[in-house]
Amino acid sequence: ILNVEQSPQSLHVQEGDSTNFTCSFPSSNFYALHWYRWETAKSPEALFVMTLNGDEKKKGRISATLNTKEGYSYLYIKGSQPEDSATYLCAFMEYGNKLVFGAGTILRVKS
Amino acid sequence: EAEVAQSPRYKITEKSQAVAFWCDPISGHATLYWYRQILGQGPELLVQFQDESVVDDSQLPKDRFSAERLKGVDSTLKIQPAELGDSAMYLCASSLTTYEQFFGPGTRLTVL
Repeated sequence: ILNVEQSPQSLHVQEGDSTNFTCSFPSSNFYALHWYRWETAKSPEALFVMTLNGDEKKKGRISATLNTKEGYSYLYIKGSQPEDSATYLCAFMEYGNKLVFGAGTILRVKS
Repeated sequence: EAEVAQSPRYKITEKSQAVAFWCDPISGHATLYWYRQILGQGPELLVQFQDESVVDDSQLPKDRFSAERLKGVDSTLKIQPAELGDSAMYLCASSLTTYEQFFGPGTRLTVL
């Protein structure tokens, strides 16, 4: 059974703080690693799809890194804003397209 | 911007009743997925369709759950009879390529 773990489970930060989350996944049969942002009452939104060891992706104040050899990915948010409040999900994709999700990290940013 | 549509958004039912959820994927997306997210856990794949064919339903509790995608477009997920443990968020997603799945807003099911 594939195990994808995310930490921390939840995080409360002040506006302007920078923060990071971790996603751990199996290092074998790696195909891709996905990050999603899921705001309350909305659809999960794809942030990044990462495929190569050493990949670094950036979208505005959010960036992510990938280490497939040791099986982890970090998501960074620089200068958190209240609109960043959401659940951040990572999902491991093995060959065959099946996504295996972690339980998510809940971020709350206070203004 | 094209979106995955799901209805209803919320459903409250009593145990032993039947419930059905509907999903309309993004036009042209051949692959459709149903996920279930139990509170505190990540979404788990229940069933995957390629056009109208089931590709993976290994985690679908087939004694009470059924899914269909008759014309290879929209899809229905049914639970009969519903049990207390079925309370969860049911997410539908669709994809055109191997990598990216687009999700709908989900149906929140509460079984009393």
